[in-house]
Amino acid sequence: SQQGEEDPQALSIQEGENATMNCSYKTSINNLQWYRQNSGRGLVHLILIRSNEREKHSGRLRVTLDTSKKSSSLLITASRAADTASYFCAVLGYSGSRLTFGEGTQLTVNP
Amino acid sequence: SAVISQKPSRDICQRGTSLTIQCQVDSQVTMMFWYRQQPGQSLTLIATANQGSEATYESGFVIDKFPISRPNLTFSTLTVSNMSPEDSSIYLCSVKGQGAFGTQYFGPGTRLLVL
Repeated sequence: SQQGEEDPQALSIQEGENATMNCSYKTSINNLQWYRQNSGRGLVHLILIRSNEREKHSGRLRVTLDTSKKSSSLLITASRAADTASYFCAVLGYSGSRLTFGEGTQLTVNP
Repeated sequence: SAVISQKPSRDICQRGTSLTIQCQVDSQVTMMFWYRQQPGQSLTLIATANQGSEATYESGFVIDKFPISRPNLTFSTLTVSNMSPEDSSIYLCSVKGQGAFGTQYFGPGTRLLVL
């Protein structure tokens, strides 16, 4: 069963604005990973945050993790039209055996 | 990071036929995974393929429908057997980076349409 639930399901913003996507999960995790998928292609790995970390940055991306609330957020600052894609969170449990994906957020950045 | 290629990138098949998807990785990896992404949906794990042992299938997926081979540490195949339109999906190969808890990388996917 899918652990992750993401909201919003769809987000439409103007270029230059910030985009925030949220992910919630149900059980304890080892880490949480965020991915981007353009138009039904393969997944591009964006960032991995471990359960003992609270925040990570990578370029225009900022990820937070709150294990007490079992939730994570992905912030994309100064968005560009090229950021238009589906964004997925995925959680890895303590066994490390499988990565379970959320339902995804479809982000549209309008030029 | 691992570079993963898949063949074919897309295919259109008739119902009742089978398609074998190949996955090639540029480095040796222990764990390889096959995922399915149905139209408009998220990814669902089909099975984990470890070299030298039988694949481990997730609930709802069976070997007769999705036989998997893993002949070495850089290659795997997934066959979608006796296809029906419900099998129309993107099939993605995936590997883990360093260690069981590392980054997981994905191939470009195989887009399958079954008529």
